[in-house]
Amino acid sequence: NAGVTQTPKFRVLKTGQSMTLLCAQDMNHEYMYWYRQDPGMGLRLIHYSVGEGTTAKGEVPDGYNVSRLKKQNFLLGLESAAPSQTSVYFCASSSRQLNEKLFFGSGTQLSVL
Amino acid sequence: LAKTTQPISMDSYEGQEVNITCSHNNIATNDYITWYQQFPSQGPRFIIQGYKTKVTNEVASLFIPADRKSSTLSLPRVSLSDTAVYYCLVGDYGGATNKLIFGTGTLLAVQP
Repeated sequence: NAGVTQTPKFRVLKTGQSMTLLCAQDMNHEYMYWYRQDPGMGLRLIHYSVGEGTTAKGEVPDGYNVSRLKKQNFLLGLESAAPSQTSVYFCASSSRQLNEKLFFGSGTQLSVL
Repeated sequence: LAKTTQPISMDSYEGQEVNITCSHNNIATNDYITWYQQFPSQGPRFIIQGYKTKVTNEVASLFIPADRKSSTLSLPRVSLSDTAVYYCLVGDYGGATNKLIFGTGTLLAVQP
């Protein structure tokens, strides 16, 4: 049982390049989330999903797109990367039970030059 | 969702009890209070959750006064390995609300 797996773990992009971060969970969770964390700051919610085929905006959605085509996967896309998107990205999932705890992945360190 | 306010940092020594307080003045009736712990280069992990009064597990205790406008995470006899950032979340997530908003957290530094 791997829990929440994020790929890749590290990535360096040039400004304007695109990429997709993959989050996979094997706990059959309905809810999935993408956060970013910048130095000295807490986690900020980018997008989230309450089920397969559904997505919604969080606190800082601009510059990102997401898709949840399969229940176990939640993809985060950067269409045209900017240096301001240099950050550590965390994916999380939780069950539909009320106030069920979040399970986090180990993060993706992204640098945009 | 209710906004939370925590101290930015706290210092402690090994073996001491540490209490971290979180303010959430506009907490709603259906909101629960949840605490997470984050070590460097790792994702946060769940510590404890409560609605009112006191909750205790093998890791920590959570004290919530009657008005629920604040909560206190208590870590008994901390060790160096408890050095981490601690986040307080308030909300009824999993139900109608699914935006789980983290604040900046409290950096706890435990010294020998």
